[in-house]
Amino acid sequence: NAGVTQTPKFQVLKTGQSMTLQCAQDMNHEYMSWYRQDPGMGLRLIHYSVGAGITDQGEVPNGYNVSRSTTEDFPLRLLSAAPSQTSVYFCASTGRGIPNEQFFGPGTRLTVL
Amino acid sequence: DQQVKQNSPSLSVQEGRISILNCDYTNSMFDYFLWYKKYPAEGPTFLISISSIKDKNEDGRFTVFLNKSAKHLSLHIVPSQPGDSAVYFCAARGSGGSNYKLTFGKGTLLTVNP
Repeated sequence: NAGVTQTPKFQVLKTGQSMTLQCAQDMNHEYMSWYRQDPGMGLRLIHYSVGAGITDQGEVPNGYNVSRSTTEDFPLRLLSAAPSQTSVYFCASTGRGIPNEQFFGPGTRLTVL
Repeated sequence: DQQVKQNSPSLSVQEGRISILNCDYTNSMFDYFLWYKKYPAEGPTFLISISSIKDKNEDGRFTVFLNKSAKHLSLHIVPSQPGDSAVYFCAARGSGGSNYKLTFGKGTLLTVNP
């Protein structure tokens, strides 16, 4: 199993540009989520999905869209990038059961100029 | 409102000694607590967890203690090794309908000196 994969690893955008961060998992996990990590802020939940076709907002959803058309994929879209979205983005997935351990991808480092 | 707090941004320990990382929480509805370890340029990896009905869980060199009355948990690493140098995140899981969502602390950078 590849686990959770994320592409790209690095990305530089200009303000106002759009892009999609890709996330895929091959563990047949129902739950997937997106976090951003900023210095001194820990990991903050952006959006999450409890299954195909179901998404919901996390702690910091503004400026981001998600969709979940398949169990495997959970892309994160930035429609109009802003410098405040410069961050490291992590995708995670988990299956049913205790303790709902989340498996994280390697991250995407995004810089918005 | 920060529900999971790691008040020490960093901790430095000598190799072979004990490392103690602390975490406080405010939400009494949390029913599971997890510790994650993160190396630079990698995603966090699960380390150890504890249910709210327990007060201790041990896995090799790692032990997590939970004090529910104080809403406090701690991670003990004995003995500490240089490879343990990483950022450690405390996380808590809500009960009931939010049982997939984790709330993370800001992390503590542990440095183990040879």
